[in-house]
Amino acid sequence: NAGVTQTPKFRILKIGQSMTLQCTQDMNHNYMYWYRQDPGMGLKLIYYSVGAGITDKGEVPNGYNVSRSTTEDFPLRLELAAPSQTSVYFCASRNNVGNQPQHFGDGTRLSIL
Amino acid sequence: DQQVKQNSPSLSVQEGRISILNCDYTNSMFDYFLWYKKYPAEGPTFLISISSIKDKNEDGRFTVFLNKSAKHLSLHIVPSQPGDSAVYFCAASPRGIQGAQKLVFGQGTRLTINP
Repeated sequence: NAGVTQTPKFRILKIGQSMTLQCTQDMNHNYMYWYRQDPGMGLKLIYYSVGAGITDKGEVPNGYNVSRSTTEDFPLRLELAAPSQTSVYFCASRNNVGNQPQHFGDGTRLSIL
Repeated sequence: DQQVKQNSPSLSVQEGRISILNCDYTNSMFDYFLWYKKYPAEGPTFLISISSIKDKNEDGRFTVFLNKSAKHLSLHIVPSQPGDSAVYFCAASPRGIQGAQKLVFGQGTRLTINP
């Protein structure tokens, strides 16, 4: 049972480069989320999706874009990488029945130099 | 403006004793609270949750208490075991459209269980 899978696990980018962080889940969950965690801080919501074709901003969306063309996949795109985007990125998903908790992937550690 | 605060960055407890982790919040619109546990290089793992209509929820060794008037919740772990050593995050979700559960996290508390 794979759950939530994130790729890559680590990546180093140069300032101004772009990249896509991949997230896929095999639990048929409608809700998916992207968070970032800076050192010594809690997770902050970047974007979320309540179903295929529907996305919305979280607390810290600037500098990121998302898409949700399928139930399984929720990629996060950085268009012009900046040092402030150095962080650990977590993807999560949950069932839309009641208050089910979010299930997290193991994260992508991104450094921008 | 930190809406969810865990004021203790770290906590050290002897194996077999009780661990108590605390969390305060400021937003009265929060109606669902969760605790997550995180090991290094892994994602957060759900531990236990509580709805604002309750003041206590228990699951095995883990109990969460909610004091709405004080805007405070706590996680009790009894008895504490070495495998409980991890970072614990408190999270809260406001009432939202479509039940989106937009979690707001505290900074985390690193719990160390000593043998």
